[in-house]
Amino acid sequence: GGIITQTPKFLIGQEGQKLTLKCQQNFNHDTMYWYRQDSGKGLRLIYYSITENDLQKGDLSEGYDASREKKSSFSLTVTSAQKNEMAVFLCASRTGVGEQYFGPGTRLTVL
Amino acid sequence: SQWGEENLQALSIQEGEDVTMNCSYKTYTTVVQWYRQKSGKGPALIILIRSNEREKRSGRLRATLDTSSQSSSLSITGTLATDTAVYFCATPNNNRIFFGDGTQLVVKP
Repeated sequence: GGIITQTPKFLIGQEGQKLTLKCQQNFNHDTMYWYRQDSGKGLRLIYYSITENDLQKGDLSEGYDASREKKSSFSLTVTSAQKNEMAVFLCASRTGVGEQYFGPGTRLTVL
Repeated sequence: SQWGEENLQALSIQEGEDVTMNCSYKTYTTVVQWYRQKSGKGPALIILIRSNEREKRSGRLRATLDTSSQSSSLSITGTLATDTAVYFCATPNNNRIFFGDGTQLVVKP
């Protein structure tokens, strides 16, 4: 079986700081996703990528950049951390029939 | 509102009770997925139902799909405390998967 790894598990940053979250998958899936989940709420799509070097904006892409330099990895950058960005960031990859596999998440706190 | 902006619906029940969670979806789909997210973890697929199936069962789980009303339901029979989680329905569309607002289910022992 495969696995999705997200690093770091916890990320503490300062307001205005640029912060990078990393995601690795060994499923060999083409499509990968970044979601943000605020406390007590659902999932909001930030970016997704259907293949290496492809980037597609989701519903919440403003304030974020993404990078897909390899098929197995997908990075997300918070370009300038804001106080209201305390959330969990979830990475996922997708099978050919549409099932998503999620990583355990990165919990971001901005001081 | 946009996807994922609404608060989770909250349900609290006693262990052993049955529960049904409902989902309405907005985009055309031929499959509805149900995911479960336990505390501190990412969501995981628990059951999937296709448009040619009106009902799908997996252990204590039962999913239904009504494409005419664009709605799906997930039932859990004989709930356990370990069923405590957030439950999402999801509909794949092109390369995206649209998640419903989610239900926070608490099963008290």
